Amino acid sequence: AQSVTQLDSQVPVFEEAPVELRCNYSSSVSVYLFWYVQYPNQGLQLLLKYLSGSTLVKGINGFEAEFNKSQTSFHLRKPSVHISDTAEYFCAVSKGDDKIIFGKGTRLHILP
Amino acid sequence: GAVVSQHPSWVICKSGTSVKIECRSLDFQATTMFWYRQFPKQSLMLMATSNEGSKATYEQGVEKDKFLINHASLTLSTLTVTSAHPEDSSFYICSATDRVPQYFGPGTRLTVL
Repeated sequence: AQSVTQLDSQVPVFEEAPVELRCNYSSSVSVYLFWYVQYPNQGLQLLLKYLSGSTLVKGINGFEAEFNKSQTSFHLRKPSVHISDTAEYFCAVSKGDDKIIFGKGTRLHILP
Repeated sequence: GAVVSQHPSWVICKSGTSVKIECRSLDFQATTMFWYRQFPKQSLMLMATSNEGSKATYEQGVEKDKFLINHASLTLSTLTVTSAHPEDSSFYICSATDRVPQYFGPGTRLTVL
C-alpha cells in the first residue's frame, strides 16, 4: 500500500521569497507522483507530475519538483512566490490509472 | 485540454430530498471517473471509482445505497445523494481519467438544511 506524508500543514512565506513544500511517500512498487493545487472553493488543478524520465519536473505557474527515489521524496519548489500562490497544495501518489492517495495538504500563506 | 466540469457548482436542499451531481469530461473520453468528498480544511476522501458501463466500486464505509453512482457514458458520471441529511453537507469533487493523471472538476458544494 502507498502512503503520502506532507510534513508541514502550513507554510508562511514572504512575497518574492523562495518556497519548498515537502512531500515523502512510501510504496513497495513503482509509483507516479503528483502535485495538485486547490484555490478556495475550487477543485484541484494539476501543477505537475512525475511519470518517468528526468527526475526534475517543471510544472505550471513556475513550480518544479524533484523526484528523489533514495529519499522517497517529491518536494515542490518555487524560486519566488506571488500573492496569487496562496492556496492548498496536495502531494499525491498513484500506481497508474488507479486511485490516487493524497497527502493531507499544505496551506501556503504568502505574507506581504 | 483535459477539462472536467461539474454541475451544479452549489446546491441547497431540504433534508430527505435527493440531489444529483453531474461530472463531465469535456474534451476527452474518461474510462474511469472518481468521486471524492472533502470536509473543511481536510484532504480529499475517495468515495467510489466508476468505470463506464459497470457498477461503481465503493470505498469502505461509503453507503452505496445512499450515494448512487452512474457512469452511463465515457464523458458523464452522476452522483445522487439519496434522502440527504445535514451530515451529508460537504464539498463533492469528481475526477476523470483515460490514463494518468486524473483531472478534477471544480467541485459541488452541497448544503442540506
